[in-house]
Amino acid sequence: TQLLEQSPQFLSIQEGENLTVYCNSSSVFSSLQWYRQEPGEGPVLLVTVVTGGEVKKLKRLTFQFGDARKDSSLHITAAQPGDTGLYLCAGARSNYQLIWGAGTKLIIKP
Amino acid sequence: DAGVIQSPRHEVTEMGQEVTLRCKLISGHNSLFWYRQTMMRGLELLIYFNNNVPIDDSGMPEDRFSAKMPNASFSTLKIQPSEPRDSAVYFCASGQGATDTQYFGPGTRLTVL
Repeated sequence: TQLLEQSPQFLSIQEGENLTVYCNSSSVFSSLQWYRQEPGEGPVLLVTVVTGGEVKKLKRLTFQFGDARKDSSLHITAAQPGDTGLYLCAGARSNYQLIWGAGTKLIIKP
Repeated sequence: DAGVIQSPRHEVTEMGQEVTLRCKLISGHNSLFWYRQTMMRGLELLIYFNNNVPIDDSGMPEDRFSAKMPNASFSTLKIQPSEPRDSAVYFCASGQGATDTQYFGPGTRLTVL
C-alpha cells in the first residue's frame, strides 16, 4: 500500500513550459518535505512545508501544502533543463516516521 | 563539512559473496538512515538509528542484511550472502531527527552477478 501517491510518475516537457507535480495521501502529515535527486547523486532537500495552506516559493518553484495537511503540490514555472531530475516528496507521520513517495521523473528538453 | 561520505561508490560482486557498505555521518548529526533505491520499488528505508541505537529495522529485507553503528560518526551495512536481487543503489543519510532534513550521501551502486 502506497501511503503517499505522487503523480505523474514521469513527465517530459519542453523548456519554457509550466508543470505541476502532486503528492497525495489519505493520512495527515505534521510536515512534508520535497527533495530533488539528480542522476548519480542522493536526494537534496528543496523545501519543508509545515502549516496547512502554506505556500513557499523557491525562485521558479512554488510549493503548497494542502489545508488538511494530506497533500502537496510543486509547480514549476518556465521549466529549464537544469530542473531535470527525480522529485520526491516525504511526509512526516510522527516523531520518527518519514513516508516517501515513489517520485516523479522530470525531463526538460531544450 | 564534507557531507555524508559513502564507500565504495561502486561494487560488483558475485552471488554468495559478503558485501560491506560504509557510511560516515555529518558531524553533529544523531540520526542515521540506510536506504535502498531501485527502479521497481523506489526509495525504501532499510533501517534507522538514533544516537547509535537501531530504532526501526522493519525495512531490512531478511537476515542476510545487518547494520551496525559502532560510534556516533560511522555505520556499516553488510549483506551476507549477497544475491542478484540485492542489486540496487544503497544510500545512507544523516540528520538531527527522524523527520528533520535528511542529508544523503552519493550512494553505493551494488551489482551482484
